[in-house]
Amino acid sequence: GAVVSQHPSRVICKSGTSVKIECRSLDFQATTMFWYRQFPKQSLMLMATSNEGSKATYEQGVEKDKFLINHASLTLSTLTVTSAHPEDSSFYICSARAPGGGLFNYGYTFGSGTRLTVV
Amino acid sequence: ELKVEQNPLFLSMQEGKNYTIYCNYSTTSDRLYWYRQDPGKSLESLFVLLSNGAVKQEGRLMASLDTKARLSTLHITAAVHDLSATYFCAVDGANSGNTPLVFGKGTRLSVIA
Repeated sequence: GAVVSQHPSRVICKSGTSVKIECRSLDFQATTMFWYRQFPKQSLMLMATSNEGSKATYEQGVEKDKFLINHASLTLSTLTVTSAHPEDSSFYICSARAPGGGLFNYGYTFGSGTRLTVV
Repeated sequence: ELKVEQNPLFLSMQEGKNYTIYCNYSTTSDRLYWYRQDPGKSLESLFVLLSNGAVKQEGRLMASLDTKARLSTLHITAAVHDLSATYFCAVDGANSGNTPLVFGKGTRLSVIA
């Protein structure tokens, strides 16, 4: 239980285009999901907290118009990188917390990540 | 602002040796998490420590939590090559609701023969 599916796992896009990354909770409802970004050999950096039915909360320095987050249902959050540039190339990971904890990891479940390369 | 510090950031150790990774955090919390990350992969949960004095062991890894000292340790016993990976500690600072984890910078472990 408490599985988060992230798709795609890898994407290459041209500069100026937009890319959508999906994060789905498969067997639980996630009112909140978290989006992280990880550059090579660095730690995870929180980008935003995605709340179902309301606007996402972005961390300081993260452009909300560039990284559009939509959490339209209790099982799906999407991150759209708009007008992508090479510096947006990174590893993006979503996370959700199963309600009431649960499982070995007390509810924090991570997607498998998306490797975005902008050329 | 919650800060999580790990040390060392890089660790090269010989097979069969023991070593400890340290994780300090800056605010009161009684929930601490350890994760493993292999290159190109997402996070794999290793341990969840939920109270002061908690100790958990899995194979050659043992994690402990001292909430008074705001310190967690990840001890590696008789290291083997398969343990080579990056290890992160993370803290849920709010102790409530849907708050994100704050991660340390990670410890890149390389086990050599």
